[in-house]
Amino acid sequence: NAGVTQTPKFQVLKTGQSMTLQCAQDMNHEYMSWYRQDPGMGLRLIHYSVGAGITDQGEVPNGYNVSRSTTEDFPLRLLSAAPSQTSVYFCASSYQTGATYGYTFGSGTRLTVV
Amino acid sequence: ILNVEQSPQSLHVQEGDSTNFTCSFPSSNIYALHWYRWETAKSPEALFVMTLNGDEKKKGRISATLNTKEGYSYLYIKGSQPEDSATYLCARNTGNQFYFGTGTSLTVIP
Repeated sequence: NAGVTQTPKFQVLKTGQSMTLQCAQDMNHEYMSWYRQDPGMGLRLIHYSVGAGITDQGEVPNGYNVSRSTTEDFPLRLLSAAPSQTSVYFCASSYQTGATYGYTFGSGTRLTVV
Repeated sequence: ILNVEQSPQSLHVQEGDSTNFTCSFPSSNIYALHWYRWETAKSPEALFVMTLNGDEKKKGRISATLNTKEGYSYLYIKGSQPEDSATYLCARNTGNQFYFGTGTSLTVIP
């Protein structure tokens, strides 16, 4: 049981480049989300999905796009990378929305934009 | 309180000491309160999920309580061990969104 798999683990981008962070889970979780973690800021929600075909914005969605074509996958796209997007990104999933079940987190992607 | 606040920010205790942390949150519109344990270089792991005022949960030496009316939750660790060293996060769930605190970093000194 792999849980939540994130790739890549590390990435360096130049300003203006685009890329996709991959997230896949094999637990048949309906709820998936992306967070960024910055020093002193805690985990902040970027986008989330309550099921295939349904996505919504979190606290800090600007500069990011998501899609959810399958239950398993929830990729995060950076459209035009900026230094302010340097962060550690976590994908997380949960069995149900309303989340009275805990999250399962991926191992994180450390992104540096230069 | 607009967001989730945790205190203290960091804590050093001796092995064998008991300790507790606080999570404060807006008392309105809360579906659940979560606690996570986050070790360095790993991902956060779920400890407890509490939904009802007065809920108490326990896992080994770690326990948590929830007061939704006044907007706080306590996490207790009894007889701290070096392996308890981690950052402890709480998160308020309002339905489809979570709001995380910045965590309490615990270091247990052998």
